[in-house]
Parts: sequence; C-alpha cells; structure tokens
Amino acid sequence: EVQLVESGGGLVQPGGSLRLSCVASGFTLGNYNMDWVRQAPGKGLEWVSYITSSSSIIYYADSVKGRFTISRDNAQNSLYLQMNSLRDEDTAVYYCVRDGGEAAEMDVWGKGTTVTVSS
Amino acid sequence: QSALTQPPSASGSPGQSVAISCSGTSSDIGSYKYVSWYQQHPGKAPKLMIYEVNKRPSGVPDRFSGSKSGNTASLTVSGLQAEDEADYYCSVYAGSNKFKFGGGTKLTVL
Repeated sequence: EVQLVESGGGLVQPGGSLRLSCVASGFTLGNYNMDWVRQAPGKGLEWVSYITSSSSIIYYADSVKGRFTISRDNAQNSLYLQMNSLRDEDTAVYYCVRDGGEAAEMDVWGKGTTVTVSS
Repeated sequence: QSALTQPPSASGSPGQSVAISCSGTSSDIGSYKYVSWYQQHPGKAPKLMIYEVNKRPSGVPDRFSGSKSGNTASLTVSGLQAEDEADYYCSVYAGSNKFKFGGGTKLTVL
C-alpha cells in the first residue's frame, strides 16, 4: 500500500523549532517530487514547500521563506521539514504530499501531523 | 501569492449536478493546464479528484469532471450522492514558485 506517515508535530513556544519527518512506504520516494502543505484550524489548504526528487530545486511559500528548510533522504525514504522561528500563525496540520507527475498533482497525502505554536 | 477564488458554499439534492468555480488570473489558471481539484472530508486528508484540468485518477468516479475557460476552472459533480458532501479545493501549479490553492468550497448534499 502506498503510504506517507508524518511525525514530529507537537506544542512549541513562539520562536521555537520543530523538525517534521515523513516516511514513505509502498513506493520509492526518490522517484518523486514532494511537498509540504499545511492547514490551519478551520482554514483552507496552504502550500508550504516543494523539493524535486534529486533535491536540485527547492521552493518555499513567502510566509515561511527563511524560517523553514525542506530536505530529503532518499536512501531512508524520508522527507523532512525543519521549522525555526515559529510563530502563532504556523499552527496547523502539516501534510506530507507526493507529486504524481509533471502537473505537480498531489496524488498521495499523509494523514498529517499537528503543530501548535503557543506560549 | 494570492489564493484562487472559490465560492464558500454550494449545494444540491441527491441525483442533481453541481458546479464549483475557481477563479484565477491570466498568470496562473489562464496560462497553465496544471489545475487540480481535491476533496476533503472532515478530519481527513485531502484526496486528489481531478488533475490537468480534466483528468481523473484511477478510482475516482466519472461523476466528477473538470473544465477550464479563460481564467476560471470548474469542477462538476453529477448525480450527487450523500458521500460527496465535503470540502473541495482547487489548485494550480503555475511554474517555478507558484503553487496556489483556492479558499475551499463546502458542498452540501440536501
């Protein structure tokens, strides 16, 4: 079964850091571009970051640029999101997502991990 | 990176058809065919329903269809069923650093 499982979420104070992880199973992570997408409580989806299969191209949303870092370890079938200088508005469910093809269609989603930034 | 514009709500009775619009600009939807639609039930992860404007992934019923005209994309759900009640999000990949989602539309089956 094709699956993505996120971990690493939790409660953190403003200004703090967290590292999210995502492990893929049922397919070879290294063959796909990947994204992180988040959803604040009661709100819509927000794209956060994108990384190509070889890590050669990386993009960030303006809202997280300079604070978040996406990375991957294809040998470990894993994707990461290092989040620094966290703000209240970063509170959300963070989804690890696979891009199915050149259209960047997000065809496989994890169940998400919850990040709460609060003092 | 302004979001795409969707109506906050839509509704229809079982068996009817309903269309949900997604408005962008000439720089995103108007210029790119990479429009996708996602369905999200409460407490669940989103699910890809349509990609490249009108393509359906394996397993998605053909009751779901997509189209695009100018700067606006649309998702049509025909033969509405109770399980179609969910939030629907459009998205566009406009190349480079331009990934956008719509604000979401809550579809109610009356």
